[in-house]
Amino acid sequence: AQSVAQPEDQVNVAEGNPLTVKCTYSVSGNPYLFWYVQYPNRGLQFLLKYITGDNLVKGSYGFEAEFNKSQTSFHLKKPSALVSDSALYFCAVNGNNRLAFGKGNQVVVIP
Amino acid sequence: GAGVSQSPSNKVTEKGKDVELRCDPISGHTALYWYRQSLGQGLEFLIYFQGNSAPDKSGLPSDRFSAERTGGSVSTLTIQRTQQEDSAVYLCASSLNPLATNEKLFFGSGTQLSVL
Repeated sequence: AQSVAQPEDQVNVAEGNPLTVKCTYSVSGNPYLFWYVQYPNRGLQFLLKYITGDNLVKGSYGFEAEFNKSQTSFHLKKPSALVSDSALYFCAVNGNNRLAFGKGNQVVVIP
Repeated sequence: GAGVSQSPSNKVTEKGKDVELRCDPISGHTALYWYRQSLGQGLEFLIYFQGNSAPDKSGLPSDRFSAERTGGSVSTLTIQRTQQEDSAVYLCASSLNPLATNEKLFFGSGTQLSVL
């Protein structure tokens, strides 16, 4: 079965510093990978997806993610974190007409 | 509508009661999903509707859970004889086409269910 793992529960980063949220995947066949963000009291919002092509995918709000086949990873990155980036981030993989989500990472950006 | 709408936003109920949660997807979206979000558990797939096809109910945790989608639009998730472990945020999402085409999902704000 398709699955993703997000090994960290919480990521703390100072405002202006680079932000990385880790995700590894386990799939049979080609992976279709997604990142979603959930702001407090809001539904999940799509950030970006990797289907095929360039390993570096750019998305909303200045986020990007790098697909690494050899490490089976799809880490989310932002060069300079903002306080407003504080939220819950979910990695997901497409399989059997549904998205399988990781448990999520709470990101706290410290002013 | 402009987005996926869910109601109620909060529901407090007593153990053993039945509850109904409603989802109004984006107009024209053929695929509709229900997920459950529990603290520290991530998002758990519950059920998937695609057009007029039979729904994929493989994620429903027990026979107390059921869902329907009338007229290919509004969906209702029903939980019978609620238990305390049913307490969670229930999220609905829709997409224009099936996820097999790698469409993104649009999520509602969820219903926070608390079973006392």
